[in-house]
Amino acid sequence: GESVGLHLPTLSVQEGDNSIINCAYSNSASDYFIWYKQESGKGPQFIIDIRSNMDKRQGQRVTVLLNKTVKHLSLQIAATQPGDSAVYFCAENKGTDKLIFGTGTRLQVFP
Amino acid sequence: ETGVTQTPRHLVMGMTNKKSLKCEQHLGHNAMYWYKQSAKKPLELMFVYNFKEQTENNSVPSRFSPECPNSSHLFLHLHTLQPEDSALYLCASSQPGQTNEKLFFGSGTQLSVL
Repeated sequence: GESVGLHLPTLSVQEGDNSIINCAYSNSASDYFIWYKQESGKGPQFIIDIRSNMDKRQGQRVTVLLNKTVKHLSLQIAATQPGDSAVYFCAENKGTDKLIFGTGTRLQVFP
Repeated sequence: ETGVTQTPRHLVMGMTNKKSLKCEQHLGHNAMYWYKQSAKKPLELMFVYNFKEQTENNSVPSRFSPECPNSSHLFLHLHTLQPEDSALYLCASSQPGQTNEKLFFGSGTQLSVL
């Protein structure tokens, strides 16, 4: 399943499939990007980050891709599980100590 | 457990009440933040404290009054709130000056103003 971030706030995927959550950022000067996961009743939790001198970074079951040409960030989750159901936020740092957050995409995993 | 604890988890208050939200971080960080999270809106930064000094007030109405007595504790004092102030209020901390500075969030206080 694939989402276009702010324009499609909910992404539904079947358990076991791969998920792709997209985010467009606005400032070409942004040099640091983070993905957060927010489960119901909890605050956002750090998942993975990437600096602008990289175009890909992998974690455990998650991969972040950065395309600076089109100012696009994506989060790929392999073998999506029910516990992955949450709202996912991208955030960009514009060179200050303030992170700018997107609206978020809700990921729903169905059996 | 993120190391950032917020109390209370839920709060219902009338428009004439005065209440306070509390945040405590056990991460040894020197920056603390208040964010407001409303439905279908991005996280809104309200206040930033660096080494106990307020460095950011993002045009927040005066009915919200922050207090940072030390680097580990942050309060948000509330008085004469409006129903549109109902939201999830999130506290976060970070260590300023680090490369790849990340925010660590608490679980938030879900506030309802009647």
